[in-house]
Amino acid sequence: DIVMTQSPDSLAVSLGERATINCKSSQSVLYTNNKNYLTWYQQKPGQPPKQVIYWASTRESGVPDRFSGSGSGTDFTLTISSLQAEDVAVYYCQQYYTVPYSFGQGTKLEIK
Amino acid sequence: QVQLQESGPGLVRPSETLSLTCTVSPYSISSGSDWGWIRQPPGKGLEWITSLSHTGDMHYNPSLRSRVTISMDTSKNQFSLRLSSVTAADTAVYYCARDDGGSGYGSYDHWGQGTLVTVSS
Repeated sequence: DIVMTQSPDSLAVSLGERATINCKSSQSVLYTNNKNYLTWYQQKPGQPPKQVIYWASTRESGVPDRFSGSGSGTDFTLTISSLQAEDVAVYYCQQYYTVPYSFGQGTKLEIK
Repeated sequence: QVQLQESGPGLVRPSETLSLTCTVSPYSISSGSDWGWIRQPPGKGLEWITSLSHTGDMHYNPSLRSRVTISMDTSKNQFSLRLSSVTAADTAVYYCARDDGGSGYGSYDHWGQGTLVTVSS
């Protein structure tokens, strides 16, 4: 099974500043089609997760362009370029390279 | 906009079977998407349970495989989860979700609101 590890577990960033969340997989999630099977979700309190990034770097429709994803193979990053109050949430990475699909433990993002 | 709604008992006795149904609208569940169940214990992270592909293939988390069944009822546009021999460790919010394959099968673009299932006597 692929183990997903996120860092940090929690993060406090000032409004307008950059937030960076890291995700590492225990084996590569880069497929032969040159796509990384890695997605990011945002989960606000009392709500289901919402997909924000897929294929490691493609923004879901309607997601603000301050959200970006990068990385390949085993190391990935979610960046919010200018933190807004509505971005406070827990963020999860998930690999869908192989079953069982697996999630990182989550990173709680707060306002400093 | 596809909508998913979980339904089922909120309280299940230990050793009994948890049964949940996800009703999908207005999208047809036999229209090429995959469908999944994911759970989240209170205050904890997400765990993928099982999925049913548009080809009829079923995939399971090995950690739950012996206790899980996923099925589909196309006449009702629903899919279901059964988890047998439950314990307190199965207490969680259970989400159903759609995977339209547009981002590669295995990632979920639409989720239900989730339903809390508590295992307790």
